[in-house]
Amino acid sequence: SQKIEQNSEALNIQEGKTATLTCNYTNYSPAYLQWYRQDPGRGPVFLLLIRENEKEKRKERLKVTFDTTLKQSLFHITASQPADSATYLCALDGDSSASKIIFGSGTRLSIRP
Amino acid sequence: DAGVTQSPTHLIKTRGQQVTLRCSPKSGHDTVSWYQQALGQGPQFIFQYYEEEERQRGNFPDRFSGHQFPNYSSELNVNALLLGDSALYLCASSFGTDNEQFFGPGTRLTVL
Repeated sequence: SQKIEQNSEALNIQEGKTATLTCNYTNYSPAYLQWYRQDPGRGPVFLLLIRENEKEKRKERLKVTFDTTLKQSLFHITASQPADSATYLCALDGDSSASKIIFGSGTRLSIRP
Repeated sequence: DAGVTQSPTHLIKTRGQQVTLRCSPKSGHDTVSWYQQALGQGPQFIFQYYEEEERQRGNFPDRFSGHQFPNYSSELNVNALLLGDSALYLCASSFGTDNEQFFGPGTRLTVL
């Protein structure tokens, strides 16, 4: 079965710097990979989706890369702000039907002023 | 436009009891997925409903069952509750094969 590993449980960086979060997966290559943001006590909020035939996707200060050779996705937040502090979750399709979604355990990002 | 709503927000039950959680999807969405999230973990996929049928199921026992109604709303039922069932239960809706999911605020279930 598909497994996901988000390398850091927690990441602390200075405001204004670029935060880089890592998501690695095993087994087959997913058709797509998603990133979500979750604040304490709230449901996850969708941020970006990148498909297997896309290498990079951007949305405002966010950038996601997808390397199917390394089986890895990187999630970048540029010009980070304290308001970006949250847990970020990586998710991908859990099997070939693509309707079963598997989440990583998340990386807790803290941006200090 | 209302997003995904879930009820109740909090629930306390004792071992052995049964619980029903409810979810209304975002307007225009026809697919509902349920997740269990333990503290400090990512959401774990329970099952997905589409056209009133269970389309996919995660590694959860038969004590976990669900239903989707003609208006696309959904229920999650858990029988014979165990202490380990204590978690945040999240409902997410999407449209057809669209992969972007919209999550509700969740129901916090505590089993004593």
